[in-house]
Amino acid sequence: KAGVTQTPRYLIKTRGQQVTLSCSPISGHRSVSWYQQTPGQGLQFLFEYFSETQRNKGNFPGRFSGRQFSNSRSEMNVSTLELGDSALYLCASSSGLRNTIYFGEGSWLTVV
Amino acid sequence: QQQVKQSPQSLIVQKGGISIINCAYENTAFDYFPWYQQFPGKGPALLIAIRPDVSEKKEGRFTISFNKSAKQFSLHIMDSQPGDSATYFCAADRRGYTGTASKLTFGTGTRLQVTL
Repeated sequence: KAGVTQTPRYLIKTRGQQVTLSCSPISGHRSVSWYQQTPGQGLQFLFEYFSETQRNKGNFPGRFSGRQFSNSRSEMNVSTLELGDSALYLCASSSGLRNTIYFGEGSWLTVV
Repeated sequence: QQQVKQSPQSLIVQKGGISIINCAYENTAFDYFPWYQQFPGKGPALLIAIRPDVSEKKEGRFTISFNKSAKQFSLHIMDSQPGDSATYFCAADRRGYTGTASKLTFGTGTRLQVTL
């Protein structure tokens, strides 16, 4: 069974640009969540989607947005990139009911 | 506001020794407490998890001890091995009776190094 797949794995963007990251959850999982990991702030929850609906949102500015498609695949978008957005962005999926949350290997974003 | 506090920040243990990592939480609504292991360049992987209705859970060399009244939980790694060298994160979630996942609140991580 394939794990959580994230693309791209590495990318470099310039300040002011926008970026879209993609996530394919484990087959059958309908819950997809996103986390930002930085050395200074650690792992922080961004948002969670279930059946195309955002159920939870963390304390991030509106520049961070996401969506989920009918096949449970998810994308997150960061607009007007800032240097501080440089981080590892992790996608996680679960079946949604009291079950384990599985993480992908992440997308490394560097903003220059 | 840091809702899950983790210590120590780093830990060096000899092979065969016991590694102990501690976490404390503030939100009494949390009802699911997982531990994740992360190797460099990889995403976090679930090690073991506990719910507050039990005080201890053991899986192989990994044990979670849970103290509900003190709002603390800890990870014990018995017979630590060099392959255990990684960063460990405790986390907490509020799932309730519906079991709705998932908004994990993570601790700050502990970098474990197991020496020969």
